[in-house]
Amino acid sequence: IVLTQSPGTLSLSPGERATLSCRASQSVSSNYLVWYQQKPGQAPKLLIRGPSGRATGIPDRFSGSGSGTDFTLTISRLEPEDFAVYYCQQYGSSPYTFGQGTKLEIK
Amino acid sequence: QVELVESGGGVVQPGRSLRLSCAVSGFSSSEYGMHWVRQAPGKGLEWVAVISDDGNIKYYGDSVKGRFTISRDIPKNTLYLQMNSLRVEDTAVYYCARFSWADTFDLWGQGTMVTVSS
Repeated sequence: IVLTQSPGTLSLSPGERATLSCRASQSVSSNYLVWYQQKPGQAPKLLIRGPSGRATGIPDRFSGSGSGTDFTLTISRLEPEDFAVYYCQQYGSSPYTFGQGTKLEIK
Repeated sequence: QVELVESGGGVVQPGRSLRLSCAVSGFSSSEYGMHWVRQAPGKGLEWVAVISDDGNIKYYGDSVKGRFTISRDIPKNTLYLQMNSLRVEDTAVYYCARFSWADTFDLWGQGTMVTVSS
């Protein structure tokens, strides 16, 4: 399954709303899709699992939605620490592919 | 303390082999699926391999199939990735991650760098 994330780069200001898209080339089995945040020099951090449950300790400004082939990560009000790269990954069928990432940068 | 610590990375010539380790602390790796994921310099994440909790199922990404082998040592509570016939394009930071159906990929190591170069 090929995951295509859009946009490639998103330029926003703190306090604004961010909407990131992840589109699959075929339906993701049981909607088994997760979202990660990655900052430079760090391992990915799980944000959203399966596709709308927040991982432990993740603020409620992060939310996930979608099913089938279209999934969305929404950050309701951007904080300075939210500017990073975001990846989606499907784990419904092997190989458990990642999207190419969306870079969220400060405008 | 619950953590994953990778080791074994380094510089290796094309065609040679390397074995990565992922030391598991604070839980038993045999109770989780365990994955390897890599990231080439300046690039995105690429899933590499998985071993199921019972060790009976192993899957690999297309780019490493037939060259890499995932395994675990339960008494040592350690995950391994044996990498043979290494190529320049295998150069990356390699992460191990644990998986459960309840929490998915909730714990990652800090990564170990592998550089394949002549």
